[in-house]
Amino acid sequence: GENVEQHPSTLSVQEGDSAVIKCTYSDSASNYFPWYKQELGKGPQLIIDIRSNVGEKKDQRIAVTLNKTAKHFSLHITETQPEDSAVYFCAASLSGNTPLVFGKGTRLSVIA
Amino acid sequence: EAQVTQNPRYLITVTGKKLTVTCSQNMNHEYMSWYRQDPGLGLRQIYYSMNVEVTDKGDVPEGYKVSRKEKRNFPLILESPSPNQTSLYFCASSSSYGRIRADTQYFGPGTRLTVL
Repeated sequence: GENVEQHPSTLSVQEGDSAVIKCTYSDSASNYFPWYKQELGKGPQLIIDIRSNVGEKKDQRIAVTLNKTAKHFSLHITETQPEDSAVYFCAASLSGNTPLVFGKGTRLSVIA
Repeated sequence: EAQVTQNPRYLITVTGKKLTVTCSQNMNHEYMSWYRQDPGLGLRQIYYSMNVEVTDKGDVPEGYKVSRKEKRNFPLILESPSPNQTSLYFCASSSSYGRIRADTQYFGPGTRLTVL
């Protein structure tokens, strides 16, 4: 089955700097890669996703890149703000068919 | 407001005392799922349901039961809770098209369960 590794487990950045979180997956059949943000006391919320027919996707300050050959994908947050502080999860699945398999999460702290 | 609700939000119980955590969604979603979240382990799927009366095991189903008698509700049942089921539980839902599940999942706020 699918296995997703996520690094780092914790990340501290200064406000305004960029943050990068990386994930690798094991199943080459996986074609859907979402990122979820979990704020304190809340459930995870989808912030961006990418499918295997695309190499990069951007939405304002966040972007996700995918390298299918190497089987890894990354979340990039630019111009970080204190409200970006949260736990971020990556996940992988075969779209529509298999359950999402999540990484272990990255706790991002943005220091003002 | 479109949402997934869970009750209770917090629960402390003792070993062996049966409990039910309720989950309800108002988005008319066919697919619903339960996860548990543990430090250092991320989110792991317990059970999921593609539609009414259709349920399947996830990665960690031992010690749990579910039922899907109505589209909007998907309760999680612990018949005889044990301390290793102390965790943060999330319910999630998404739409589906026949046997194909839509990708975006909507999560509830979580239920923190402590089993003494």
